[in-house]
Amino acid sequence: GQSLEQPSEVTAVEGAIVQINCTYQTSGFYGLSWYQQHDGGAPTFLSYNALDGLEETGRFSSFLSRSDSYGYLLLQELQMKDSASYFCAVRGDAYNTDKLIFGTGTRLQVFP
Amino acid sequence: DADVTQTPRNRITKTGKRIMLECSQTKGHDRMYWYRQDPGLGLQLIYYSFDVKDINKGEISDGYSVSRQAQAKFSLSLESAIPNQTALYFCATSDSRDRGYEQFFGPGTRLTVL
Repeated sequence: GQSLEQPSEVTAVEGAIVQINCTYQTSGFYGLSWYQQHDGGAPTFLSYNALDGLEETGRFSSFLSRSDSYGYLLLQELQMKDSASYFCAVRGDAYNTDKLIFGTGTRLQVFP
Repeated sequence: DADVTQTPRNRITKTGKRIMLECSQTKGHDRMYWYRQDPGLGLQLIYYSFDVKDINKGEISDGYSVSRQAQAKFSLSLESAIPNQTALYFCATSDSRDRGYEQFFGPGTRLTVL
């Protein structure tokens, strides 16, 4: 089967750092993406890792270890507007490289 | 800018009715997707299309059908709606020629089947 696991909820305070983990077990793997979704909104792309290591985009960073089938999203200098759900998604299966398989999402609540 | 649009945004229908959800995009992307989102279950792929002549089933295609009328239009149909199809439906696009890993989502259609 194919599965992605991430914590259901994380809480933090403004200015803090939070890490959202994602472990995956899939038939194929071309990369790991992260999407953000605010309540009532559409998912929006945050980052993508195809190779091992850390990718940094402003306050957000994403890490991948293919040998461990593991990745994480790191959010620094948290702001209230970062309160949202965050989804990891594996790109590709054995047949198609651009299919995404999504995790069930992590709800991040940022408190003042 | 509304690059990916979905109509209707909200729909309430009754069990057994046929319903069509429409998606249009002005991004010029070749690939289009339909997802369903239930609370706590993330996004599940219903159907995807890599071009007008290429349509594929996703994880949960039973009870759904699709039509890719043009590169810019991808419709999802529920032939006979049932209550457990009540969910939030998203259309998405991607460009196989550029950053194919990034999908762009429409605003969603909230469907309620009574």
